[in-house]
Amino acid sequence: AQSVTQPDIHITVSEGASLELRCNYSYGATPYLFWYVQSPGQGLQLLLKYFSGDTLVQGIKGFEAEFKRSQSSFNLRKPSVHWSDAAEYFCAVGAGNTNAGKSTFGDGTTLTVKP
Amino acid sequence: DAGITQSPRHKVTETGTPVTLRCHQTENHRYMYWYRQDPGHGLRLIHYSYGVKDTDKGEVSDGYSVSRSKTEDFLLTLESATSSQTSVYFCAIRPRDSTGELFFGEGSRLTVL
Repeated sequence: AQSVTQPDIHITVSEGASLELRCNYSYGATPYLFWYVQSPGQGLQLLLKYFSGDTLVQGIKGFEAEFKRSQSSFNLRKPSVHWSDAAEYFCAVGAGNTNAGKSTFGDGTTLTVKP
Repeated sequence: DAGITQSPRHKVTETGTPVTLRCHQTENHRYMYWYRQDPGHGLRLIHYSYGVKDTDKGEVSDGYSVSRSKTEDFLLTLESATSSQTSVYFCAIRPRDSTGELFFGEGSRLTVL
């Protein structure tokens, strides 16, 4: 069975500071990994994805994530946080186009940005 | 914009009443999904569809049914709503050429009193 753990329920950072959100996954084969962002009252938006190749992937809004197979991790990073980054972030693992493309989501991390 | 519309966006109902949520898409995607979102639980898959009249259960399907009589519409029905089904419901689609990423509607907030 596939699962995702986001160890941090809530993180607060100052505007301009760096950010790292943690994600650990459990999956029996090569994982397809995703980070989504959800602003209040909105649906989820894809930030970035990994399924093969370079283990450091770039996404939208200046985010990047690094896949580390040995640690079963896919942590999200941003060098300098903006106030507009305040949102909830979800990590997800899936099977690509197999298994009906079903994804399993973590419980989310809420990011607060201090001025 | 993935062309996904959910209706209603907000609904308050009473325990025991039937409720139907609608997801409408405009781009002919084969795969559609219903998730529920609850604090501390992330998103959990209720049901999904891989074509007209082809549906299957997700991890939290008890108390829910779905139907897909047209490609563009995926309906989620609560036959007899309970307070535990108070939640925000999200519809998602997976494009044919994707590597599994999903595109979500804006959600339907359901309150069962």
